Amino acid sequence: NAGVTQTPKFQVLKTGQSMTLQCAQDMNHNSMYWYRQDPGMGLRLIYYSASEGTTDKGEVPNGYNVSRLNKREFSLRLESAAPSQTSVYFCASREANTGELFFGEGSRLTVL
Amino acid sequence: RKEVEQDPGPFNVPEGATVAFNCTYSNSASQSFFWYRQDCRKEPKLLMSVYSSGNEDGRFTAQLNRASQYISLLIRDSKLSDSATYLCVVSGSGTYKYIFGTGTRLKVLA
Repeated sequence: NAGVTQTPKFQVLKTGQSMTLQCAQDMNHNSMYWYRQDPGMGLRLIYYSASEGTTDKGEVPNGYNVSRLNKREFSLRLESAAPSQTSVYFCASREANTGELFFGEGSRLTVL
Repeated sequence: RKEVEQDPGPFNVPEGATVAFNCTYSNSASQSFFWYRQDCRKEPKLLMSVYSSGNEDGRFTAQLNRASQYISLLIRDSKLSDSATYLCVVSGSGTYKYIFGTGTRLKVLA
């Protein structure tokens, strides 16, 4: 029962470096999400994809890009990392009938 | 004003106690409501959906008050294993945006 799988789980970057966070789900869900979680701020929506081929901005999209590669995969890219992007990133997919979100285990990113 | 607001706590309660959390939301068009549980350094997991008529799942009861725009979670007979952060989640009608509150920390003490 893989569910939602995120990689990498941990990453340290230097300011200005780029990287891509990968997310895959095996539940045949249409909708997928990227959130970041910071102390005292809760989970904030970065981007979401209602279905394959579509993506939309959330609350905090600046500095990020996404790709919905196919129904299973939704990646998040930081083109030029900044210390303000130090956070825990969660990918999620949505079960259409119940509305339940299933989350990956998170990716802990530190930007120095 | 935040779209979804929760008291951050922590709520420290003894085992066996009853504890209640409230969550307020600002968008009157919101249609779907949930409570998630998040353990320290783990991913959030669905605790229960919140229905208009209120609903119960074992020791947990959720209520929705549309007029006052808040949802509540009641935990009866608290267990040590209930210690976690409880996240209120709201979604608007026809949208796929799920907005999370900052969470309420609960610590159940032996």
